[in-house]
Amino acid sequence: GNSVTQMEGPVTLSEEAFLTINCTYTATGYPSLFWYVQYPGEGLQLLLKATKADDKGSNKGFEATYRKETTSFHLEKGSVQVSDSAVYFCALRGGGSEKLVFGKGTKLTVNP
Amino acid sequence: GAVVSQHPSRVICKSGTSVKIECRSLDFQATTMFWYRQFPKKSLMLMATSNEGSKATYEQGVEKDKFLINHASLTLSTLTVTSAHPEDSSFYICSARGDGTYGYTFGSGTRLTVV
Repeated sequence: GNSVTQMEGPVTLSEEAFLTINCTYTATGYPSLFWYVQYPGEGLQLLLKATKADDKGSNKGFEATYRKETTSFHLEKGSVQVSDSAVYFCALRGGGSEKLVFGKGTKLTVNP
Repeated sequence: GAVVSQHPSRVICKSGTSVKIECRSLDFQATTMFWYRQFPKKSLMLMATSNEGSKATYEQGVEKDKFLINHASLTLSTLTVTSAHPEDSSFYICSARGDGTYGYTFGSGTRLTVV
């Protein structure tokens, strides 16, 4: 079945550091890929998405590229801020299904 | 933007009692609702999918008689944990999707503690 393997945290960085959170997936067909963010005390919010190979999703300085050859969708940001502290979830939706499959989440803490 | 309101945010109940969790879509019609359970350091596990006016479809291993899901209207879905036990303690999250829309809107979650 479909699955997502996500780099486990926690990850602690200093402000303005470079961020990478690895995500790989297993799926049949051509899934859509997502990154969700959960700020403390809030629900999950869509951060970015990509629906086909080589697509790059981007939002708020975050980027992730859909790499079919490596079945990866790594999240990157060049310069993190304290306000980026949150839990990040990689997810996929398999073709023809409404269900989202999530990774375990990575907690990011950015210190000033 | 689309908002899903989930209540309560935290609840503590005694073992053997039932607890109801509500999710309301505030500015759109939620034709499909998803209920997830999140264990510490684990991913969100889909429990069931419900479409308005239909019986919920439960994932393998989820007890449908224990986790009752009602989706009687396009703006409200409820999850009732019946005869709760300490092992039911967890974080429950709902997610809604409107007809013809691509995105999923999540509630803020409910922390259930059964003592």
